[in-house]
Amino acid sequence: SAVISQKPSRDICQRGTSLTIQCQVDSQVTMMFWYRQQPGQSLTLIATANQGSEATYESGFVIDKFPISRPNLTFSTLTVSNMSPEDSSIYLCSVETGGLYGYTFGSGTRLTVV
Amino acid sequence: ELKVEQNPLFLSMQEGKNYTIYCNYSTTSDRLYWYRQDPGKSLESLFVLLSNGAVKQEGRLMASLDTKARLSTLHITAAVHDLSATYFCAVLSDSNYQLIWGAGTKLIIKP
Repeated sequence: SAVISQKPSRDICQRGTSLTIQCQVDSQVTMMFWYRQQPGQSLTLIATANQGSEATYESGFVIDKFPISRPNLTFSTLTVSNMSPEDSSIYLCSVETGGLYGYTFGSGTRLTVV
Repeated sequence: ELKVEQNPLFLSMQEGKNYTIYCNYSTTSDRLYWYRQDPGKSLESLFVLLSNGAVKQEGRLMASLDTKARLSTLHITAAVHDLSATYFCAVLSDSNYQLIWGAGTKLIIKP
């Protein structure tokens, strides 16, 4: 199965600033997924990122707030813009590794906005 | 719209006991996944269930899928403390190929 390196693992940020989260996959994948997990909650899909096209955002998430880049088949970034305390969450990237392995997740970024 | 219901949401049990977590979903799907999440950690894939009647086992955990009943179970046999974690099921939507997640079951196993 794929291995994903996600950075940073955690950060504490001032409100009004932005943070960019990076995910590097050790193999080429078509789609990468970005999730948010609020404390004690399940996962919510933010967007799906395909290489060479704009990301597809889920209801409640917009590109201005969560811009995504997907410059190649192994890398993607998610930026959390103009942060507020409500953005404090764990952010996870994921790829489908297919068949028996399902979906693999990055190690997550724990974001605290103060 | 595909919905996934997981129960119980919280389970506290003694070591050595058996218990089952249930995952119901509302529309047809032929792929169901079980994940484990330890506090402050990412998600670890446990099982991928791809067909009706699929049964997979790993150690003290066994997962099954009944696509006709739209039900998957995760059975824990003779629980040990190390199995304490939150367990999620996720179902792949046939319509948009997105994973729809259950709310998670927080499992605490007491010595």
